[in-house]
Amino acid sequence: DTGVSQNPRHKITKRGQNVTFRCDPISEHNRLYWYRQTLGQGPEFLTYFQNEAQLEKSRLLSDRFSAERPKGSFSTLEIQRTEQGDSAMYLCASSTAGGADTEAFFGQGTRLTVV
Amino acid sequence: GEDVEQSLFLSVREGDSSVINCTYTDSSSTYLYWYKQEPGAGLQLLTYIFSNMDMKQDQRLTVLLNKKDKHLSLRIADTQTGDSAIYFCAGNQFYFGTGTSLTVIP
Repeated sequence: DTGVSQNPRHKITKRGQNVTFRCDPISEHNRLYWYRQTLGQGPEFLTYFQNEAQLEKSRLLSDRFSAERPKGSFSTLEIQRTEQGDSAMYLCASSTAGGADTEAFFGQGTRLTVV
Repeated sequence: GEDVEQSLFLSVREGDSSVINCTYTDSSSTYLYWYKQEPGAGLQLLTYIFSNMDMKQDQRLTVLLNKKDKHLSLRIADTQTGDSAIYFCAGNQFYFGTGTSLTVIP
């Protein structure tokens, strides 16, 4: 296990379709974060899990977005009825729980294009 | 939520020092981080500072925190061309700045 893995790397979908992304964190990490990043902006926090519990959700996470981490390992982020404004890079990160030196390791992201 | 602002661009000559600035609105962040993002690569943690510290030095990197002014800075000494990237400050793991694109001129 060399890092956080995200699949797919790229996704092109038609407006109105549903999409699902997967994140496999570093195996011993119990925290998992999802972010969205658009061109020229910093990552925007969406949600995070500690083990299987979803502890915080941003107001950016509309009712079309849902995230799960059923067994406290991999996580999925689903977007229903995609809109063109959903086009972005979706980033996942994982860390151990604890203080500042619990570094969050980022995956390379899934780039979503809604046409 | 927290607003985290950074200047968009910085250009320096190789060998000079770079200073990247960040201002934030919310003082509740326990830790403040600096991340580096190179084209096509994921974000990489460079360093962090605990909110009760004023300064932290880590090899070529110096982080200064002014809690009164809600200002954070990252100084890179002896900047190299390999330092060219986008740098983000972040509060805890939740609030990221807009990013500063650093260009190092040989």
